Amino acid sequence: KAGVTQTPRYLIKTRGQQVTLSCSPISGHRSVSWYQQTPGQGLQFLFEYFSETQRNKGNFPGRFSGRQFSNSRSEMNVSTLELGDSALYLCASRIGTGQEKLFFGSGTQLSVL
Amino acid sequence: SQKIEQNSEALNIQEGKTATLTCNYTNYSPAYLQWYRQDPGRGPVFLLLIRENEKEKRKERLKVTFDTTLKQSLFHITASQPADSATYLCALGRHGGSQGNLIFGKGTKLSVKP
Repeated sequence: KAGVTQTPRYLIKTRGQQVTLSCSPISGHRSVSWYQQTPGQGLQFLFEYFSETQRNKGNFPGRFSGRQFSNSRSEMNVSTLELGDSALYLCASRIGTGQEKLFFGSGTQLSVL
Repeated sequence: SQKIEQNSEALNIQEGKTATLTCNYTNYSPAYLQWYRQDPGRGPVFLLLIRENEKEKRKERLKVTFDTTLKQSLFHITASQPADSATYLCALGRHGGSQGNLIFGKGTKLSVKP
C-alpha cells in the first residue's frame, strides 16, 4: 500500500506570491491533516479535513486555506507569502476521525525569499 | 495556555545503553499520548500510543510510561543502536471531537554513538 504522497518536495517562492501544496492520502483514508514544522515552533496544526469538510482549524491567519476532494486528496494554499512562512509542510492521513494514529508524508519544504 | 515540553533538545548516549526521553505538559488533560520518530527530511513515523488510563506500554525495545498526576511521559529505548538516532516527538491528543489536531512537542534529537 502506498504511503502518503506530497508534491512538490521542494518549493522556492518570493514574498507576496501564493503557493498550492498537494497531498494524496493512503488509499482508504478519509481524514487529512496539515501541519507546519519550523525549527523554532516545532509541529503546529493547520487544519483537518474529513469527507471534504474542514473539521478543525489551528491558529493560523486566513492566508492559509485548504480543501479536500471527493477522492480524499487534499490541497493547501498559502496566499501573500511572507518570509516567516518558510517551513516544512506536512500532510498526515488516517482512516477516520475516530482513529488516533497519523500517517505522515515526507512533506513539502517551502522557502520564501 | 497549553504547553508541552520535551526535556532536552539533544541527547547523546553510547550504543547498548538505555535512552530515556521525557515529555511534560501543562494546562492540558489529554485522552492519550503518542510518540513519533522523525528522520531528517522525512515526516514523523508513529511508534506508540498510551491512553490516560494506562501506566505503561511496550513494543519490542520501546517502553512508554504515562503519569497523569505528574503530567509526564517517559519514553525508553533499551539496548540502543546507532540506527535509533533520530528526533523523537511526543504528541498529546484530546478527548472527544476531532482528534486530528495533536499537540506536538518540539522533539528530542537522539544520537547513539557506536
